[in-house]
Amino acid sequence: GAGVSQSPRYKVAKRGQDVALRCDPISGHVSLFWYQQALGQGPEFLTYFQNEAQLDKSGLPSDRFFAERPEGSVSTLKIQRTQQEDSAVYLCASSSLRGPPYEQYFGPGTRLTVT
Amino acid sequence: SQQGEEDPQALSIQEGENATMNCSYKTSINNLQWYRQNSGRGLVHLILIRSNEREKHSGRLRVTLDTSKKSSSLLITASRAADTASYFCAGLIQGAQKLVFGQGTRLTINP
Repeated sequence: GAGVSQSPRYKVAKRGQDVALRCDPISGHVSLFWYQQALGQGPEFLTYFQNEAQLDKSGLPSDRFFAERPEGSVSTLKIQRTQQEDSAVYLCASSSLRGPPYEQYFGPGTRLTVT
Repeated sequence: SQQGEEDPQALSIQEGENATMNCSYKTSINNLQWYRQNSGRGLVHLILIRSNEREKHSGRLRVTLDTSKKSSSLLITASRAADTASYFCAGLIQGAQKLVFGQGTRLTINP
C-alpha cells in the first residue's frame, strides 16, 4: 500500500471494556512496531514483530496488553479491561530491512480515550 | 519512560529565521533519527545520521551527532510557516530494533 494505515482513527471506550486496534503495514515490510504516545510526550516503544514472530515485547505495560501478527502482515493490538491511564495515541510503524537502515514509517495513529 | 531529552521544549521564531533543537540520549545507539509530527499527518521521518557520522545535510536540514557527549542537534534554516510542528529525536538502540524517542520540541514559526 501507499503507507501504513491504522483503524479505527478514534476509539472511545468505557473503563473495563476490551479494545482492538488494527495496523496495516506497508506491503512487503517485514518489521512492524507498536508505540504508545501520551499527550505532550514522545512515543514509547511497546512491541516489535519481524514477520509473524514477536521478537520484543518489553514495552508492553501490563499483561492487559497483547499484540499479534499471525500472518506476518496485519497486526492487532488488544487492550483488555481498559483503564483511564491507557488513554493515548497508539502508533504503528513498519520497516523494510532492504531499505535505509531501520527507518520506520509511521501510521496516523489511533487515539484511544477511556472514560 | 523516555530515554531522550530535548531542548528547548518549545521554540517560537519568526519566519525566515533559523531554528536549532538539541537532543541528548542515555544509551548506546546505532543511529539517530529526527521525526516531525503535526496534528494532521502523524510522524514523518526527516533525516537519519549513523553513529559513525558527525554531520549530515538534507535540504534545509542539518543534523550533527556527538557520540562522546551522547547528543545531537537539528538545525532548520530559513524557516517557513509550514515547519510549525513538534520535532522528535529518536535513537535506534544497539542490539535492538526499537526507537527511543525524546520528549520533543514544539516549534512555532510566526509569519
